[in-house]
This record gives sequence, structure tokens and C-alpha cells, in this order.
Amino acid sequence: GESVGLHLPTLSVQEGDNSIINCAYSNSASDYFIWYKQESGKGPQFIIDIRSNMDKRQGQRVTVLLNKTVKHLSLQIAATQPGDSAVYFCAENTATRSGNRDDKIIFGKGTRLHILP
Amino acid sequence: GAGVSQSPRYKVTKRGQDVALRCDPISGHVSLYWYRQALGQGPEFLTYFNYEAQQDKSGLPNDRFSAERPEGSISTLTIQRTEQRDSAMYRCASSSFGRNSQFFGPGTRLTVL
Repeated sequence: GESVGLHLPTLSVQEGDNSIINCAYSNSASDYFIWYKQESGKGPQFIIDIRSNMDKRQGQRVTVLLNKTVKHLSLQIAATQPGDSAVYFCAENTATRSGNRDDKIIFGKGTRLHILP
Repeated sequence: GAGVSQSPRYKVTKRGQDVALRCDPISGHVSLYWYRQALGQGPEFLTYFNYEAQQDKSGLPNDRFSAERPEGSISTLTIQRTEQRDSAMYRCASSSFGRNSQFFGPGTRLTVL
């Protein structure tokens, strides 16, 4: 079935380096994508989103890239810090279903980011 | 309040009992979502509301699960005749409207013995 998922379950990055977390989606009708960060024992926290009419969006130290041709989404974190250690989820939304708006958000499985000292 | 709150934070119940989980969204938020999250997995969509109207309940596992939001603010997720497989973290999120950025609550850890 259609789903959102991530390529790697765990990513280890040296402190100060850039991190790139990848996500593949299979629903070509999805038009809104979100990245969430979840620290241990806490709920997911919104990081950044992007709509399908864009291919890049930048936030503070984070950039999301969207390649609709290959249905690929990535989150880039610049100058990774110890506080970036968490599980990162991509999520997708399909704006319409049978002509009606549907705001259901589907989450992928997550990538755990480890920061090496 | 300042954020989404959920109660209880922890619930231990015996198999066959009914449980009610409460979510208090951010004041003024129109949309309220319920998710279930297993350890090491992403949140699994259950249902969501815009105001008091339940828009989509396609994620509810079976008819033992139900949710309501009668006045468009606080919501209750009810699980009847609980089973061990219902044990999970149940999370609530709210957003200003629809699929805009969601703010998650701390969750309710449900354990069914």
C-alpha cells in the first residue's frame, strides 16, 4: 500500500557536521510534507513543512528539499549540535480525497540521529 | 493553557475494562488529532476533528474505539473492553486549522494487563 518511510533507521553524525535525513513517499497525490523531531520521552515537535509547489524551504539551520519526480524528501540540519539528537519523522498529507478536503497526516517510521562528540 | 495537555499521563487497566483518555487542545485551535504510537514507531493516525465534527475516523482500529469532541474543545478517546494489544502511547495534537503545523501533547501511556 502507499506509505511514507525513511531510508535509514539510524544516522550518526559528527558534531558540527551537516546532517541529511532522507524520506521516500509513494503517494503521488500528497501535496504537503512535514518534518517532526521527537526527543526521548516527548511528543513530536514540528520542525518545518513544505508544499508541493515548492522544491526547497529553509528555516533556522534546517532546509527541506522536495523532489516530486522521484518522490523524495530530505531534511538537512546545518552544524549539527548535541541538542539535535532525536528521532526525526517525515509526514505527508493528501489534500483531497474524492474531491473533499482531508487533513489526515501520515507519519513515516523515523530516523534516529546520533551526534558523535 | 500554553500547550496541549492530556490526562491521565499514565493509565494501567485490566483487560476488559473501558478507558477514557482526555485531550485539552491549545485554546482556539480548531483541529484536534488523535494518534497511537508504538515504541520506536511513528505516530499512527486514528481520527481527527474540525471543531466538534469528526472529519475522519478511518484510523480507528475497530468499533471498540471511539472519540468525541462535543463542544469543539476538549476531546475524549474511549476504548471499550480493552485488550492487551491496545497498550501504547496515545497522543493528541491540535492545530489552528487542518494540516497546518500540529502541536502534540505529552501523551497518555496506556497499559492493559
